[in-house]
Amino acid sequence: QKEVEQDPGPLSVPEGAIVSLNCTYSNSAFQYFMWYRQYSRKGPELLMYTYSSGNKEDGRFTAQVDKSSKYISLFIRDSQPSDSATYLCAMSELYNQGGKLIFGQGTELSVKP
Amino acid sequence: DTEVTQTPKHLVMGMTNKKSLKCEQHMGHRAMYWYKQKAKKPPELMFVYSYEKLSINESVPSRFSPECPNSSLLNLHLHALQPEDSALYLCASSSRTGTYEQYFGPGTRLTVT
Repeated sequence: QKEVEQDPGPLSVPEGAIVSLNCTYSNSAFQYFMWYRQYSRKGPELLMYTYSSGNKEDGRFTAQVDKSSKYISLFIRDSQPSDSATYLCAMSELYNQGGKLIFGQGTELSVKP
Repeated sequence: DTEVTQTPKHLVMGMTNKKSLKCEQHMGHRAMYWYKQKAKKPPELMFVYSYEKLSINESVPSRFSPECPNSSLLNLHLHALQPEDSALYLCASSSRTGTYEQYFGPGTRLTVT
């Protein structure tokens, strides 16, 4: 079993839809949770990060962490064609193992006009 | 400015060539990373430098040789590569290895012929 599981999609939604992206994990030592967005042929861009459980909101994006269920989510409201990208979740233990992030497989999202 | 720059953007090299990839950041970050990313896969950590010292080598073959000449620069020297080494090579930085927000560069797309 992989440490982090993420549905690779692809996920296709109409413009304006609410998108829900999810990851599950098995390592209860993970404390830091990040979402990266990667456009085709570009490097990953850090979207949001959260520590431990709870919600964090930034504009149209909301990140949720449920440590009891070992489940994290990223919600995108009013999705736009410019949101079409691959979304990667990433996680890290409290003492970070020297900088090691554990990535999910990435979910490919397409928002159709 | 959260910019990490990488040169060149594209590189084609033969199996007997020697080439180098370059990464630069001017954010005052003290941790720098090399990742390898294959198509439709998440980034795989190769090396971590912390305060200009190599702190993690993820059992990378010796045909890849990292170098950190100063706190702003990171190089990856390539020699006698194999076609399966063709990938997107990403550089990232963070303020130190104990933090979780890694900022990625755009990557160098390497093709080994």
